[in-house]
Amino acid sequence: AAGVIQSPRHLIKEKRETATLKCYPIPRHDTVYWYQQGPGQDPQFLISFYEKMQSDKGSIPDRFSAQQFSDYHSELNMSSLELGDSALYFCASSLAGTSGGTYNEQFFGPGTRLTVL
Amino acid sequence: GQNIDQPTEMTATEGAIVQINCTYQTSGFNGLFWYQQHAGEAPTFLSYNVLDGLEEKGRFSSFLSRSKGYSYLLLKELQMKDSASYLCAVSGNYGQNFVFGPGTRLSVLP
Repeated sequence: AAGVIQSPRHLIKEKRETATLKCYPIPRHDTVYWYQQGPGQDPQFLISFYEKMQSDKGSIPDRFSAQQFSDYHSELNMSSLELGDSALYFCASSLAGTSGGTYNEQFFGPGTRLTVL
Repeated sequence: GQNIDQPTEMTATEGAIVQINCTYQTSGFNGLFWYQQHAGEAPTFLSYNVLDGLEEKGRFSSFLSRSKGYSYLLLKELQMKDSASYLCAVSGNYGQNFVFGPGTRLSVLP
């Protein structure tokens, strides 16, 4: 079965540079979430999109922005990178659904490991 | 505010049973999820509870008490490959993001 695809898998940048991470959700999933996971930490929610509109916002720095495109893929844009931005960035997707008995299980992509030097 | 708590580390022996607890305080509740995460890999879904009681799924079971803000994940017949972090995550409202607990790092010893 198709899974969430993220690219690139690894990215090395220098301080003050910019980076763009891409996420391709599972086909027919309408919700995309971005998480940041630092070493030894739990995933921290950054931002989510439902049907191409921002649906929720977490601890996303102002230097970061994201959007979801018409084909449902999403991009996380990171500018003025800092050393502390080095982390695993996960994208997850789910199908929102509307009726009882369904639940919004999130399927996680393999992550992008960002290293800022 | 939202607060989720789990033990940081646990150790168990191959073939044994281990229970990982999770307590939560969240504004809104639409279910509690357990995920397994091996180091450097993506979290993978294990179980979901939205009503009180026990959900069983093979070697894994998960329990929820909404009135107590408490859940546990029960792993039976432990195998070496079960060594991983186990993340408790709460969904505040339908379709919203998860709030993850700090994770419990389980080590299974021979």
